[in-house]
Amino acid sequence: NAGVTQTPKFQVLKTGQSMTLQCAQDMNHEYMSWYRQDPGMGLRLIHYSVGAGITDQGEVPNGYNVSRSTTEDFPLRLLSAAPSQTSVYFCASSYVGDTQYFGPGTRLTVL
Amino acid sequence: KQEVTQIPAALSVPEGENLVLNCSFTDSAIYNLQWFRQDPGKGLTSLLLIQSSQREQTSGRLNASLDKSSGRSTLYIAASQPGDSATYLCAVDNDYKLSFGAGTTVTVRA
Repeated sequence: NAGVTQTPKFQVLKTGQSMTLQCAQDMNHEYMSWYRQDPGMGLRLIHYSVGAGITDQGEVPNGYNVSRSTTEDFPLRLLSAAPSQTSVYFCASSYVGDTQYFGPGTRLTVL
Repeated sequence: KQEVTQIPAALSVPEGENLVLNCSFTDSAIYNLQWFRQDPGKGLTSLLLIQSSQREQTSGRLNASLDKSSGRSTLYIAASQPGDSATYLCAVDNDYKLSFGAGTTVTVRA
């Protein structure tokens, strides 16, 4: 099993550009989620999904879109990047209510 | 809104000493609580998961307790080793939404 994979590992964007962060898991988990981690603030939930076709907002959803067309994939789209979105982004997956498995993260810088 | 607090923010101990890490949360209506380890520049690795109906979980040198009524969890690491140096995070699950503490950064001195 590859577990949870994320691409790219690093990305630099200019303000106003859009991009998609990819997340995939091969454990047949229903639950997938996206977090951002900023210094001194812990991880904050952006969006989550409890199955294909079902998504919902977390604590900090503004400026981000998600969709879940398959069980395996849960991409995160930045619509118009802003410097405030500079952060490390983590994707996670699990069976509902069970241990969370995290990807290695994407380090994003917005200039 | 669930608030999760971890105290202390940082801890430095000599090798062999037992570690005690604290986590408190404001909303006791949780499904579960998890403890994670994060090494610098890496993702999170789950250490222990405690369901809301459980009082503690153990794995090797690690033991985590949960007191839902008082909104507290404690992670004990016995006989610490330099390899235990990392940041430890706790997270509570309320209705599919995980809320994280800011973490405790542990340094174990050889």
